[in-house]
Amino acid sequence: DIVMTQSPSSLAVSAGETVTINCKSSQSLLSSGNQKNYLAWYQQKPGQSPKLLIYLASTRESGVPDRFIGSGSGTDFTLTISSVQAEDLADYYCQQHYSYPTFGSGTKLEIK
Amino acid sequence: EVQLVESGGGLVQPGRSLKLSCAASGFTFSDYNMAWVRQAPTKGLEWVASISYGGSNTHYGDSVKGRFTISRDNAKSTLYLQMDSLRSEDTATYYCASHRLGFSWFAYWGQGTLVTVSS
Repeated sequence: DIVMTQSPSSLAVSAGETVTINCKSSQSLLSSGNQKNYLAWYQQKPGQSPKLLIYLASTRESGVPDRFIGSGSGTDFTLTISSVQAEDLADYYCQQHYSYPTFGSGTKLEIK
Repeated sequence: EVQLVESGGGLVQPGRSLKLSCAASGFTFSDYNMAWVRQAPTKGLEWVASISYGGSNTHYGDSVKGRFTISRDNAKSTLYLQMDSLRSEDTATYYCASHRLGFSWFAYWGQGTLVTVSS
């Protein structure tokens, strides 16, 4: 199984700040066939089901604000949230779909 | 509007069985691979099983292989999860989710149904 290691496990920021969440995979998620990275990011607000934010490492899902930016390649990936808003309070998960799906352990984002 | 509505959760004793259902609407159910993902209380997400759009291919996580069976009825736009030999560690909220392309990322999620395994 591909192991996804996410960091930090939690962080607290003030509204308007920029947040960076890291995700590292135990093997490369880059497909040699199409040069795409098979990584997705999800947001789970308190009491809600997860919501897709980013797929193929950097493609924003329709309707997701452009302050959510996915980047990275191979084994190292980042979710950046610029100008954090109070509504971004949530848990964030990365997920690889290069092989059978596995998720990172999650990052809890708190707003000061 | 895409809707996935799970049902069938509840309290069940260890070793017993339970069957979950997920009713889909708002999209052509038979065109998409589907999955179950679970989340133990206060824990992270764990993929449980996936099934191809036609139902002929199924895949399972190691923790449920041999005990759980995923199936679908495209005529009813419904996904199922038969859970046998339940254990306390199967206690979780079970989400129904649709894959976007192949067995890829999960585009849509239901609201979840809670399964509690306890004597």
